[in-house]
Amino acid sequence: DAGVTQSPTHLIKTRGQQVTLRCSPKSGHDTVSWYQQALGQGPQFIFQYYEEEERQRGNFPDRFSGHQFPNYSSELNVNALLLGDSALYLCASSLYGGAGPNEQYFGPGTRLTVT
Amino acid sequence: GDSVTQMEGPVTLSEEAFLTINCTYTATGYPSLFWYVQYPGEGLQLLLKATKADDKGSNKGFEATYRKETTSFHLEKGSVQVSDSAVYFCALSHSGYSTLTFGKGTMLLVSP
Repeated sequence: DAGVTQSPTHLIKTRGQQVTLRCSPKSGHDTVSWYQQALGQGPQFIFQYYEEEERQRGNFPDRFSGHQFPNYSSELNVNALLLGDSALYLCASSLYGGAGPNEQYFGPGTRLTVT
Repeated sequence: GDSVTQMEGPVTLSEEAFLTINCTYTATGYPSLFWYVQYPGEGLQLLLKATKADDKGSNKGFEATYRKETTSFHLEKGSVQVSDSAVYFCALSHSGYSTLTFGKGTMLLVSP
C-alpha cells in the first residue's frame, strides 16, 4: 500500500519565479492538506482540499494556491517566490469528516530553496 | 487562536535514561492532542494521540496523558535508545477537522 508521495524531492528557484509541487495521497484517502515547515520550526498549515475545493486555509497570502484533481492528487503553486518561501513543504492526506479527529499521514516533503 | 508550546531543545540524554518533553496548549473547546516524530530527512510520523481529557496515548514505549486542568500533554519514555534520536512535535486538532496546529518541535539526541 503506497503512502503519501511527493515530487520533486528538492527544488531550487530564483526570487520572483513560480513553482509547482505535487502530492499523491495515501490509497483510500480523499483529503489533502499542505504545510510549510521553515528550518527549525514546526509545520504551518497552508490549506486543505476536499472534493476539488479549498475547504480551509491558514494565514498564507494569495501567492499560495492549490488544486485537487479527480483522483485526489493535489498541487501546490507558489507565485512570485520570496527568499522567505524557502522551506520544507509537507503534504498530508486523510479522510474527510467524521466525529473524531482524522489522522493525517505525511509525505516526505519537498525541500524548496529560493535564491 | 490555537497554539502549542514545547520545551526548547536539544534534549541530550544517554541511552536508557528517562525522557520527558513538555508540551502545553491553548485552544477553545476540547481538542485532540498528538505527538509526531520526524527522523532526519523524513516526513512526520504519528507517534501517539489522545482525544479526550485523562486519555493516555502510548506507542513504542512512549506515553502522554491529556491533562485538561493543566492544558498539558507531556511526552515520556522510561528508557530511551539511540534510535529515538529525532525531532518530536506536539500538535492539536479539533473534532471534524484534520488540520493540525504544531509546536516548534524538540530535538532529542541520545548517545550510547
